[in-house]
Amino acid sequence: AQSVTQLGSHVSVSEGALVLLRCNYSSSVPPYLFWYVQYPNQGLQLLLKYTSAATLVKGINGFEAEFKKSETSFHLTKPSAHMSDAAEYFCAVSPPYTGANSKLTFGKGITLSVRP
Amino acid sequence: KAGVTQTPRYLIKTRGQQVTLSCSPISGHRSVSWYQQTPGQGLQFLFEYFSETQRNKGNFPGRFSGRQFSNSRSEMNVSTLELGDSALYLCASSLNWGQNTDTQYFGPGTRLTVL
Repeated sequence: AQSVTQLGSHVSVSEGALVLLRCNYSSSVPPYLFWYVQYPNQGLQLLLKYTSAATLVKGINGFEAEFKKSETSFHLTKPSAHMSDAAEYFCAVSPPYTGANSKLTFGKGITLSVRP
Repeated sequence: KAGVTQTPRYLIKTRGQQVTLSCSPISGHRSVSWYQQTPGQGLQFLFEYFSETQRNKGNFPGRFSGRQFSNSRSEMNVSTLELGDSALYLCASSLNWGQNTDTQYFGPGTRLTVL
C-alpha cells in the first residue's frame, strides 16, 4: 500500500520568498513520485516527477524537488515565489509497474498563497 | 498534440438520476484513469482502463462504472446519483500507465452537481 502525507493545508509566502511544500510518502516498493499543480477551475498539470533516476528533479516554472529515501520525503521548492504560483499543489505516489494497484495516490493538497 | 478533453464541463443532475461523462485521451495514449475530487476526500482513484479492459479499480460502489472504446475514448457512468456524488471528475491519459517513466496527463474535469 502507498500513501502520501502533505502537512498543513495552506502555505502563505511573500513574493520573491522561498517556496517549500512538504511531502512525505509511504511505499512498500521503490516509488515513483510526482508533484502536480491545480489552478482554479482547471485540471492537474504535472510539475515534475521522480522515477528512480537523479534524486534532484527539476520541473517547470522553476520548481524542483529532492527525493530523500532516508527521510521518505519529496519536498517541492522554488527559490523565489511569483504571484502566478498561487494555486493548489498535490504530491502523488505510484508503484513502478502496470496492472492491479498501479494507481496514483494523492496527498490532500496544499494551497499556496503569494502575498505582494 | 491536443490535450485530454472532457465533456461536458459542467453538469447538474438530481438525486436518483444517472449520468455519463466522456473523456478523449491524447492521441496515441491507450490508458485512461478516472479520479473523483471533492473538498472533503481530495483526489480519489476510480478506475483505470487500458486497451478496452479495466485494469485497476478503486474503492467505489458499483454505481460507478466505466468503459473504454477501441479508439481509447472512455466514459464513466454513475447511476442512482446521490448528493455526495457532487464532485469534480478528472480523467487522465497516458501511453501505458505504470510502464517505465510514463506520466498521467489530466483533462480539465467535469463538474457534477447533484441537487
